[in-house]
Amino acid sequence: GENVEQHPSTLSVQEGDSAVIKCTYSDSASNYFPWYKQELGKRPQLIIDIRSNVGEKKDQRIAVTLNKTAKHFSLHITETQPEDSAVYFCAARDSNTGNQFYFGTGTSLTVIP
Amino acid sequence: EPEVTQTPSHQVTQMGQEVILRCVPISNHLYFYWYRQILGQKVEFLVSFYNNEISEKSEIFDDQFSVERPDGSNFTLKIRSTKLEDSAMYFCASDGLAGEEQYFGPGTRLTVT
Repeated sequence: GENVEQHPSTLSVQEGDSAVIKCTYSDSASNYFPWYKQELGKRPQLIIDIRSNVGEKKDQRIAVTLNKTAKHFSLHITETQPEDSAVYFCAARDSNTGNQFYFGTGTSLTVIP
Repeated sequence: EPEVTQTPSHQVTQMGQEVILRCVPISNHLYFYWYRQILGQKVEFLVSFYNNEISEKSEIFDDQFSVERPDGSNFTLKIRSTKLEDSAMYFCASDGLAGEEQYFGPGTRLTVT
């Protein structure tokens, strides 16, 4: 089955700096890649997603890039703010064979004011 | 905006007892999922449910687990004889026919003593 790896496990940045979180996946058939943000004690919430027919997607300060050849995708957060502090999970899914997500191990992002 | 709801928010039980975790998915969604998250670890897929039957399950979802949609709104996860290692946050999720974004519930924290 799919194996998703995520780096780094922890990341600290100064407010206003950029943060980048990277994920790799093993199954070349995976075609949907969401990113979830999970604040302490709360549910994971989708912040951005990308499908395999697109190389990049941006939503205000958040962007995701996908390299299908290398089988990796990254989350980019610019102009970070303290409220961006949370755990971020990447995930992958092959929609053609099933709907389950395979999650990465998570990145704990701390934005220092 | 419609949300997935879960009850209870926290369940404490003794080892060997049966527990039922309850979820109300978003009303027009067709696919339902249970995930678990052991403290500090990644979210792990347990089972997916579609058209009143299990469509996928992971190796974690062994014979002590079962799921049911007893009526038109609830989706339940039953653990027959809980073990200490079942202590985790259990998330329910649902998505619609498009099978893209999964919406997560707030989770039930299960503590087995």
